[in-house]
Amino acid sequence: KQEVTQIPAALSVPEGENLVLNCSFTDSAIYNLQWFRQDPGKGLTSLLLIQSSQREQTSGRLNASLDKSSGRSTLYIAASQPGDSATYLCAVRRGSSNTGKLIFGQGTTLQVKP
Amino acid sequence: DGGITQSPKYLFRKEGQNVTLSCEQNLNHDAMYWYRQDPGQGLRLIYYSQIVNDFQKGDIAEGYSVSREKKESFPLTVTSAQKNPTAFYLCASSTLGQGEQPQHFGDGTRLSIL
Repeated sequence: KQEVTQIPAALSVPEGENLVLNCSFTDSAIYNLQWFRQDPGKGLTSLLLIQSSQREQTSGRLNASLDKSSGRSTLYIAASQPGDSATYLCAVRRGSSNTGKLIFGQGTTLQVKP
Repeated sequence: DGGITQSPKYLFRKEGQNVTLSCEQNLNHDAMYWYRQDPGQGLRLIYYSQIVNDFQKGDIAEGYSVSREKKESFPLTVTSAQKNPTAFYLCASSTLGQGEQPQHFGDGTRLSIL
């Protein structure tokens, strides 16, 4: 059974710091991995998607890496800003196609202090 | 703008009552999903549908029902059999093609018991 774990559950940093959020999964047979952002009381916004054959994806100040063999992904946020404060969730898609289920981690709640 | 619309934003249920949550998308996506989110937990899949007039149970389908009469619409009914319905409900959609297919989410419905 695929399990996804995110550590830490919460993180508070001063503005301008570079930070890393961690995601681990127990079954390496994944189709892709996605990082989402969730603002309070809102839905999820997709940030980055990494296919199982890829090692990393970048978008602006965000960089996500994937190491399937060790069952790990990291989301790197450079030069953090107060507007980055939100909950970040990772999710892995099971199986070998885009029809597999998404399995979510519990999320890391980030607070960036001005 | 294309997107997913969930309504209502807040919903209250009395004992023994069935309530229906609405989800409409104008993204022309084939697949639609319902997730439940509890505090401090990741999203759990309730039901999903990949084609009109067909749907499958997710991991926590007991006490819920859905229909998919139109491609754009995927309403969720929380029945009186669901004994702990208080949660944040999120609807999502995606295409089913190959390659990068992130899921798009609505802004959610928060359901509470009176």
